[in-house]
Amino acid sequence: SQQGEEDPQALSIQEGENATMNCSYKTSINNLQWYRQNSGRGLVHLILIRSNEREKHSGRLRVTLDTSKKSSSLLITASRAADTASYFCATDAIPLGGGFKTIFGAGTRLFVKA
Amino acid sequence: DVKVTQSSRYLVKRTGEKVFLECVQDMDHENMFWYRQDPGLGLRLIYFSYDVKMKEKGDIPEGYSVSREKKERFSLILESASTNQTSMYLCASRRRQGAHEAFFGQGTRLTVV
Repeated sequence: SQQGEEDPQALSIQEGENATMNCSYKTSINNLQWYRQNSGRGLVHLILIRSNEREKHSGRLRVTLDTSKKSSSLLITASRAADTASYFCATDAIPLGGGFKTIFGAGTRLFVKA
Repeated sequence: DVKVTQSSRYLVKRTGEKVFLECVQDMDHENMFWYRQDPGLGLRLIYFSYDVKMKEKGDIPEGYSVSREKKERFSLILESASTNQTSMYLCASRRRQGAHEAFFGQGTRLTVV
């Protein structure tokens, strides 16, 4: 079962606009991460927010976390054509035997038109 | 420059064949993961390992097995490949403790004919 679920499934915007993607999850978490995937490639880590944080910034990225609603959002400001990619949220299930089970959602496909 | 390397970028196998997908990381990470990615379904966890010779089932382990004989290497085995195992397979690794990111390989696109 998917721990994280993103919405929307797909998003198309003009260059310069902001893009907002949302993620919901089901169980308690230690942290939540966002990743980016260019077409047909592996995932690249963007940002991590811990369960005791509410907001975090990294360049044009802003992530919020609401543990009471079990949700997070990723905002990309002043989008560029190069931001076109799929974006995934990921959470760690409660550790088992010292390891972390990292679960991903289905992702949001972002298309930024030049 | 940290690296997770998957042995093949593209692979075509016949139904019933035994298939090995290899993954090697050079970061001394304890945790390693195998996911498969299908359109509309995101990444689904097949198996993961938190130490040498240790393995745990993920959400979709049926039809797969894994091997972790050395810390840096995590192998995914399809015992008898079937057409419904045609997919993109992604390997990842991360440190065991704390809030750390996962590092991914470039993916193996497996086609079973």
